[in-house]
Amino acid sequence: NAGVTQTPKFRILKIGQSMTLQCAQDMNHNYMYWYRQDPGMGLKLIYYSVGAGITDKGEVPNGYNVSRSTTEDFPLRLELAAPSQTSVYFCASSPIGGLNEQYFGPGTRLTVT
Amino acid sequence: GENVEQHPSTLSVQEGDSAVIKCTYSDSASNYFPWYKQELGKGPQLIIDIRSNVGEKKDQRIAVTLNKTAKHFSLHITETQPEDSAVYFCAAIYSGGGADGLTFGKGTHLIIQP
Repeated sequence: NAGVTQTPKFRILKIGQSMTLQCAQDMNHNYMYWYRQDPGMGLKLIYYSVGAGITDKGEVPNGYNVSRSTTEDFPLRLELAAPSQTSVYFCASSPIGGLNEQYFGPGTRLTVT
Repeated sequence: GENVEQHPSTLSVQEGDSAVIKCTYSDSASNYFPWYKQELGKGPQLIIDIRSNVGEKKDQRIAVTLNKTAKHFSLHITETQPEDSAVYFCAAIYSGGGADGLTFGKGTHLIIQP
């Protein structure tokens, strides 16, 4: 199993541009999550999904959108990128959510200038 | 919502000594407390977790203790080794049927001095 994969690893965006961060998992997990990690800070939840077709907002959803059309994929869309979105983005998955381990991808480092 | 405080932000110990990292949480309903280790350039990886019906859990050199009354939990690493150098995050969640993500502390940079 590849686990949780994320692409791209690095990206530089200009202010106002848009992009999609890709996340895929091959563990047949129902639950998937997007977090952002700012320097010296813990991870903050952006969006999560409990299964295909179901998504919900986390703590910091503004400026982002998600979709979940399959169990495997959970892309994160940035519209009109802003410098405040400069961060490292982590995708995670979990078999049944709640009291269970979340498996994290390697992250995407995004810089908006 | 939940708030997790983690101390210290940096911890330097001699190889072979013990390291202790402490966290407090605000939501008394939280019932799952994992600890993650993050190495440079990688995603966090679970090293140990504890549920609210247990006071202590051990796995070889690492242990976690939970005090529900005081709402704090701690990570203990004994006989530290160079490969223990990393950033460690505590987290908390209330799992009541929903799927909210974890609330993380700000992390502790553990440095093992040779």
